Amino acid sequence: KNQVEQSPQSLIILEGKNCTLQCNYTVSPFSNLRWYKQDTGRGPVSLTIMTFSENTKSNRRYTATLDADTKQSSLHITASQLSDSASYICVVSDKEDSSYKLIFGSGTRLLVRP
Amino acid sequence: NAGVMQNPRHLVRRRGQEARLRCSPMKGHSHVYWYRQLPEEGLKFMVYLQKENIIDESGMPKERFSAEFPKEGPSILRIQQVVRGDSAAYFCASSRTRDRTTYEQYFGPGTRLTVT
Repeated sequence: KNQVEQSPQSLIILEGKNCTLQCNYTVSPFSNLRWYKQDTGRGPVSLTIMTFSENTKSNRRYTATLDADTKQSSLHITASQLSDSASYICVVSDKEDSSYKLIFGSGTRLLVRP
Repeated sequence: NAGVMQNPRHLVRRRGQEARLRCSPMKGHSHVYWYRQLPEEGLKFMVYLQKENIIDESGMPKERFSAEFPKEGPSILRIQQVVRGDSAAYFCASSRTRDRTTYEQYFGPGTRLTVT
């Protein structure tokens, strides 16, 4: 079983609309959670990083939330743009000693249509 | 400031050949990580290196795979006697320091290996 599960697998929305992507994880103990954006054929780019004590983190039109009790996170995208079309990946790292060892979800593929 | 550079971007090898993937970290970064992404799957950690040292290779297959990060030059991920199952995208990431809180890693564009 994957330690990081994301939903939905794929999503299509119209330009200008908002959307929310979900992430559930079982990694324990938990160090931090990140959301990355990966364009087709490119490497992942970090959007947000949250430690276990943080509930929310924003980066421009991206807002990530974290509930460490239920082991859930969400990424909310506001006023979507065509350039938001990409895979969004939830990434968790475990205890501090090895928090460099990132554990990746399979991602949600977002397509923004005009 | 150039980002993480990987080459080649695409590599085709026949079964049994060797594949060498190169990664130049961002300027000022001395920590390098390699990840593999199989089709339709998430990235999987392979190995973490500092200059001239392998820190953690727990994600590396036991045979045919090796990695190095010499004092001078790029980090190299070497796959000997490639098989079709090695076909994947291989990503390199680098970080500046061993920040125990976040280990902020910056990723390269990846090398797509195809084994025919």
